[in-house]
Amino acid sequence: GDSVTQMEGPVTLSEEAFLTINCTYTATGYPSLFWYVQYPGEGLQLLLKATKADDKGSNKGFEATYRKETTSFHLEKGSVQVSDSAVYFCALSDRTSYDKVIFGPGTSLSVIP
Amino acid sequence: SAVISQKPSRDICQRGTSLTIQCQVDSQVTMMFWYRQQPGQSLTLIATANQGSEATYESGFVIDKFPISRPNLTFSTLTVSNMSPEDSSIYLCSVEEPGRGTEAFFGQGTRLTVV
Repeated sequence: GDSVTQMEGPVTLSEEAFLTINCTYTATGYPSLFWYVQYPGEGLQLLLKATKADDKGSNKGFEATYRKETTSFHLEKGSVQVSDSAVYFCALSDRTSYDKVIFGPGTSLSVIP
Repeated sequence: SAVISQKPSRDICQRGTSLTIQCQVDSQVTMMFWYRQQPGQSLTLIATANQGSEATYESGFVIDKFPISRPNLTFSTLTVSNMSPEDSSIYLCSVEEPGRGTEAFFGQGTRLTVV
């Protein structure tokens, strides 16, 4: 079945450092891909999405490009801030799986001043 | 985007009891889902709540333990039955809106502690 794999955390970075969180997926169809973020004590928010190959999703300085050839959707940000400290979930939704959202295990990011 | 309200936001329950969680959406939605997030873990889909018919459960989840209702296109409930400490988790309602493709929106969740 469909699945999502993310790099293991936790990740600790200094403010203004470059961030990459790797994400790869397995899907039977042509999924939409998402990054969700969960700030401490808060609910889950959609950060960005891409619905087809080569699409780039972007929001709040974060970017991810849908790479069908490598089945990847890596999250990047050029300069992280303390306020970016959160747990990041890569996810996919596939119409052949009735639009269920399948989540990766999550990557905890801590940004220190 | 849809606004999703979940009640209660948190609860502490005795083992052996049941808790019903409500999910109310401010607009009609096609798909509603229930997820569980165990402490420090990712989200796991429990079931798809189908309007007017029985919910579709994922492997490892059964109707007797997690009965679900969906009487209309804006409301659903999840009951956690005969609770044990292993049921301590955050339970989240999720919806997908017509015309928004497969983008899912989440409620704030219900933080359940079973003692």
